[in-house]
Amino acid sequence: EPEVTQTPSHQVTQMGQEVILRCVPISNHLYFYWYRQILGQKVEFLVSFYNNEISEKSEIFDDQFSVERPDGSNFTLKIRSTKLEDSAMYFCASRTGLLYSGNTIYFGEGSWLTVV
Amino acid sequence: GENVEQHPSTLSVQEGDSAVIKCTYSDSASNYFPWYKQELGKRPQLIIDIRSNVGEKKDQRIAVTLNKTAKHFSLHITETQPEDSAVYFCAASQNTGNQFYFGTGTSLTVIP
Repeated sequence: EPEVTQTPSHQVTQMGQEVILRCVPISNHLYFYWYRQILGQKVEFLVSFYNNEISEKSEIFDDQFSVERPDGSNFTLKIRSTKLEDSAMYFCASRTGLLYSGNTIYFGEGSWLTVV
Repeated sequence: GENVEQHPSTLSVQEGDSAVIKCTYSDSASNYFPWYKQELGKRPQLIIDIRSNVGEKKDQRIAVTLNKTAKHFSLHITETQPEDSAVYFCAASQNTGNQFYFGTGTSLTVIP
């Protein structure tokens, strides 16, 4: 069964450093997402991406965050200047986008980011 | 935007008993309601979903019911087993929308 894959699985970074989290969505999917889950809390929406542009973003997704799909397969989340409160599990997800079918989003295994 | 509330936040049941988790939503335009199971340190995985044109859906020991008028949906797990222990999240979305709105999660513990 196809899966969303993410790298790295765990990254430790110094506060103020830039971090790039990488994702390979399921190949025939059209919508891509980044979600965040702070330890013990619920899954929070960050951003959705469709047709090579951001289609929706939450208030968490401020100017220090950016996404891109540079080569048609990878989908990346960049955090420019990390803060302690960015420590969380970051999940990439994708879905087909077909109306009335295949609306389920499939999550990757997550990238655990620790900012020290 | 949509607001999804989930109760209870923690639930302990004896093995073999049933567990029920309830969610409410606020946006009447939401029409797709998946449930995810998340084991510790792992990704959320879809276990069952329901669309607004269906009132109930069942898959072996798991069932989901939807009341569109009251804007609530519930997950029912029967004959619970220790491996059902996990955090369960409900979510709501629209077919034409992008965002999935998650509930706050229910930590289910099945006591052998």
